[in-house]
Amino acid sequence: NAGVTQTPKFRVLKTGQSMTLLCAQDMNHEYMYWYRQDPGMGLRLIHYSVGEGTTAKGEVPDGYNVSRLKKQNFLLGLESAAPSQTSVYFCASRLAGGPNEQYFGPGTRLTVT
Amino acid sequence: SQQGEEDPQALSIQEGENATMNCSYKTSINNLQWYRQNSGRGLVHLILIRSNEREKHSGRLRVTLDTSKKSSSLLITASRAADTASYFCATDAGETSGSRLTFGEGTQLTVNP
Repeated sequence: NAGVTQTPKFRVLKTGQSMTLLCAQDMNHEYMYWYRQDPGMGLRLIHYSVGEGTTAKGEVPDGYNVSRLKKQNFLLGLESAAPSQTSVYFCASRLAGGPNEQYFGPGTRLTVT
Repeated sequence: SQQGEEDPQALSIQEGENATMNCSYKTSINNLQWYRQNSGRGLVHLILIRSNEREKHSGRLRVTLDTSKKSSSLLITASRAADTASYFCATDAGETSGSRLTFGEGTQLTVNP
């Protein structure tokens, strides 16, 4: 199993450009999450999904949109990138039901100039 | 705002010594989890303790939970240079909240050989 994979690993955007980050998991997990991590800080939840076709807002959703058209994929979109969105983005997934750990991808380092 | 606060922010010890990290949180939880992050990598789950448990062990790891004080501690015994990493606590409020994790800001542990 590849676990949780993220594409791309690095990206540089100019202010106002758009992009989509892709997260894929092959563990048949129901729940998927997008976080951002800024220097010296823990992870903050952007959006999450508890199943195919469903999404919900997390702690810092502004400026981002998500879609979960397939169970194994969770997409994070930036419609008009801003320098404040410079961060490292992590995707995670977990099984539904019971106290379970989350499995994290390797991260995408995004710089907005 | 972050649910968890971790103490200390940074810890430097010698190989063979024990390392203790503390986490405090604000609201009721279903469980509390500890994760490790090596530099430039994603988070890896270490251990989970349920709200009705007080102590749990896994190898060289010992975690305690005091729900009356809303605090937890992670002890790493006989530390090794390879334990150098950032350690994060994360609280899980349960399935009704999508099993969202709220992370602390982390403790940067450096183990000197």
